[in-house]
Amino acid sequence: GAVVSQHPSRVICKSGTSVKIECRSLDFQATTMFWYRQFPKKSLMLMATSNEGSKATYEQGVEKDKFLINHASLTLSTLTVTSAHPEDSSFYICSAPGQAPGAYGYTFGSGTRLTVV
Amino acid sequence: GESVGLHLPTLSVQEGDNSIINCAYSNSASDYFIWYKQESGKGPQFIIDIRSNMDKRQGQRVTVLLNKTVKHLSLQIAATQPGDSAVYFCAEKRYSNDYKLSFGAGTTVTVRA
Repeated sequence: GAVVSQHPSRVICKSGTSVKIECRSLDFQATTMFWYRQFPKKSLMLMATSNEGSKATYEQGVEKDKFLINHASLTLSTLTVTSAHPEDSSFYICSAPGQAPGAYGYTFGSGTRLTVV
Repeated sequence: GESVGLHLPTLSVQEGDNSIINCAYSNSASDYFIWYKQESGKGPQFIIDIRSNMDKRQGQRVTVLLNKTVKHLSLQIAATQPGDSAVYFCAEKRYSNDYKLSFGAGTTVTVRA
């Protein structure tokens, strides 16, 4: 089946540094990639949608300059958390639409646990 | 606010029994509903989906029921196994929202041996 490969799975960084998270679609092309953030014991919150060849669209309240999204190719989307602070610590997950066992589901990456110290 | 929500945050089930996880939604314009399973530290895993013009759909050991009259969705898991322990989310998407997924709060299912 379709797979979205997300790396790294875990990352610890110092405050003020930037961290890049990559999501690659394997064996299929993802023209769109959704990026989510999840706090402990909470639901997934959509942050932004990356589109290959155009600018990402951000959900209300999400800082564009803090969370830089790039969709470099039909198989790669990246999220860069810039000047990270402890409050950016969270679980980040990407998802590509249209590629799942069912007709209507999306395929998710395995997530990245970001800890900012 | 959320367009989908779950009735109970936790559910404890005896191994071998059937599980029923409920979800309520508010937007009658939803086109699709999807159930996801998320294990600790992992991304959500697709379980089953249903189109809004359907009432029932069955998969392997799972059944999703959709009651549009009361805007209620349920996931039934037959013969619950220890591996079913996870957090379950219902989600909806619609054409008018560019098919973005909106997730409910999640139900943590714990299977007792």
